[in-house]
Amino acid sequence: DAGVIQSPRHEVTEMGQEVTLRCKPISGHDYLFWYRQTMMRGLELLIYFNNNVPIDDSGMPEDRFSAKMPNASFSTLKIQPSEPRDSAVYFCASSLGSTSTDTQYFGPGTRLTVL
Amino acid sequence: GNSVTQMEGPVTLSEEAFLTINCTYTATGYPSLFWYVQYPGEGLQLLLKATKADDKGSNKGFEATYRKETTSFHLEKGSVQVSDSAVYFCALSGANSKLTFGKGITLSVRP
Repeated sequence: DAGVIQSPRHEVTEMGQEVTLRCKPISGHDYLFWYRQTMMRGLELLIYFNNNVPIDDSGMPEDRFSAKMPNASFSTLKIQPSEPRDSAVYFCASSLGSTSTDTQYFGPGTRLTVL
Repeated sequence: GNSVTQMEGPVTLSEEAFLTINCTYTATGYPSLFWYVQYPGEGLQLLLKATKADDKGSNKGFEATYRKETTSFHLEKGSVQVSDSAVYFCALSGANSKLTFGKGITLSVRP
């Protein structure tokens, strides 16, 4: 398997613009997670899905952030409008199940810079 | 709530030195414990894991033992290599499968 795929790998945009990050989970994985990594706050869970349904979005920072999973092989994280403080690396991860023993597999991340 | 505390970094070692990275946790119930590694410019990769008390996870010469009595999961390697230079994250997964990460520690290994 190719692993978790994310695109783009790098995104530079200007404040106020809409940004869409994309993720393709590992085939057969029922759970998909979006994380944000910053120097100040470390790794934070934003939202996760089970079978394409959002289960917990308590980590989504503001209404400017939204995430969708229209099918089992694709998810998007959208920021509209973007702000400089959104600059971070955004990771997508997927796992087979939801027990504490299940391993999450991470994508390479999207480095977002908002000017 | 759940939390993970890692020792402060960064850590710089010479090749073939012994490595210990401390990790302690606070959690309700019986979490699973993980070490993830992040190489420069890449995503996180699972290094090893342990799912119950006294389990030892091991991979690529790294080891960590799940110590419930001390709520610890310290990472060790007997002889580090330059290729081990990376950021190491300790994490736990509770009943709701959500991962809680430590802040990470940067390891640099000199030739």
